[in-house]
Amino acid sequence: QKEVEQDPGPLSVPEGAIVSLNCTYSNSAFQYFMWYRQYSRKGPELLMYTYSSGNKEDGRFTAQVDKSSKYISLFIRDSQPSDSATYLCAMTLSGGYQKVTFGTGTKLQVIP
Amino acid sequence: ETGVTQTPRHLVMGMTNKKSLKCEQHLGHNAMYWYKQSAKKPLELMFVYNFKEQTENNSVPSRFSPECPNSSHLFLHLHTLQPEDSALYLCASSQERTSLSVGQFFGPGTRLTVL
Repeated sequence: QKEVEQDPGPLSVPEGAIVSLNCTYSNSAFQYFMWYRQYSRKGPELLMYTYSSGNKEDGRFTAQVDKSSKYISLFIRDSQPSDSATYLCAMTLSGGYQKVTFGTGTKLQVIP
Repeated sequence: ETGVTQTPRHLVMGMTNKKSLKCEQHLGHNAMYWYKQSAKKPLELMFVYNFKEQTENNSVPSRFSPECPNSSHLFLHLHTLQPEDSALYLCASSQERTSLSVGQFFGPGTRLTVL
């Protein structure tokens, strides 16, 4: 079983739709949960992170963590063509430098 | 720009060549990383340097040799690579985690093709 499972997509949605991206994980010790966005021919960039369970909102983006289910989500409201990218979930244990475990990434296309 | 630069951006090499990838970070971070990104696979951590000391070698073949002369520069020396080593090689940096500092900053990557 992979430590982190993420549907690779691709996921195509019309502009303005609500997008839901998800990951499941197996290691209950993970404490920090991150979402990275990677545009074509670029490196990943940190979009947002959440510590432990709960929700976090940043503009059109909302990250949710359900540790009891080992399930994390990223919601994008009012999706825009500029949101077209690959979204990688990532997670790490507490303490020390950051050894991060990544998902495979979900490719998202927002169609104008 | 993320503050992490990588050169070259593209590299084509034969199996007998020797080449080096370079990474430089301008963020004052104390940890640097090499990752390999292949299609349909999660990022694979290769090496970690914390305060210039190698703290992680994730069972990487010896044909990949890292070098970290200072906290701002990281190299990946390549020799006698195999075609399956073709991938995007990403460098990243981070600050030792505090409540204000989570996540790694990535460079744009070097697209490596081994013929």
